[in-house]
Amino acid sequence: KNQVEQSPQSLIILEGKNCTLQCNYTVSPFSNLRWYKQDTGRGPVSLTIMTFSENTKSNGRYTATLDADTKQSSLHITASQLSDSASYICVVRVGGANNLFFGTGTRLTVIP
Amino acid sequence: DGGITQSPKYLFRKEGQNVTLSCEQNLNHDAMYWYRQDPGQGLRLIYYSQIVNDFQKGDIAEGYSVSREKKESFPLTVTSAQKNPTAFYLCASTRHINYNEQFFGPGTRLTVL
Repeated sequence: KNQVEQSPQSLIILEGKNCTLQCNYTVSPFSNLRWYKQDTGRGPVSLTIMTFSENTKSNGRYTATLDADTKQSSLHITASQLSDSASYICVVRVGGANNLFFGTGTRLTVIP
Repeated sequence: DGGITQSPKYLFRKEGQNVTLSCEQNLNHDAMYWYRQDPGQGLRLIYYSQIVNDFQKGDIAEGYSVSREKKESFPLTVTSAQKNPTAFYLCASTRHINYNEQFFGPGTRLTVL
């Protein structure tokens, strides 16, 4: 069964600290994995995409990693800011037109 | 400004009423999608459309209907047949059906009273 699981469900960190969010998937065949940021009451916005051949990709303070062998991805946020408070959603695409599998998200709260 | 818009932002409905959620995009994207988001669950696909005058059921289409008469518009009707309609509804679009990145609208929160 194709699944995408994220952990933790929620996380609270102090401003300026780093954190890492996890995404494990059982999707097959794997095409790519994308991380989205969703502010409360808004639509998700893409942060980064990882393809099979990529191990690490950075977008400012966000760094995503992918281990295709263990089917795991992580999103590392460096020097967190209050504006990082949001839900982070992992989405995995299977080969095919509309085969997207969404994780349930990690709710991150950054406190001063 | 190019983008995807949804209206209204908040919508209240009495049981037994149909309501229509608007989704408009000026990105010239061929494909459009409707998702439902509930607390603690991943986004679930309701309907999608690859091209004008064409649409397909997603995973949870029962109680919903759509139309795609214009490329830029993909309205969703939540009918009285939908037993648990209270949710956050997200519309998205992509350049074409096989294009990877989905651009999302700001969402509509529907509450049934």
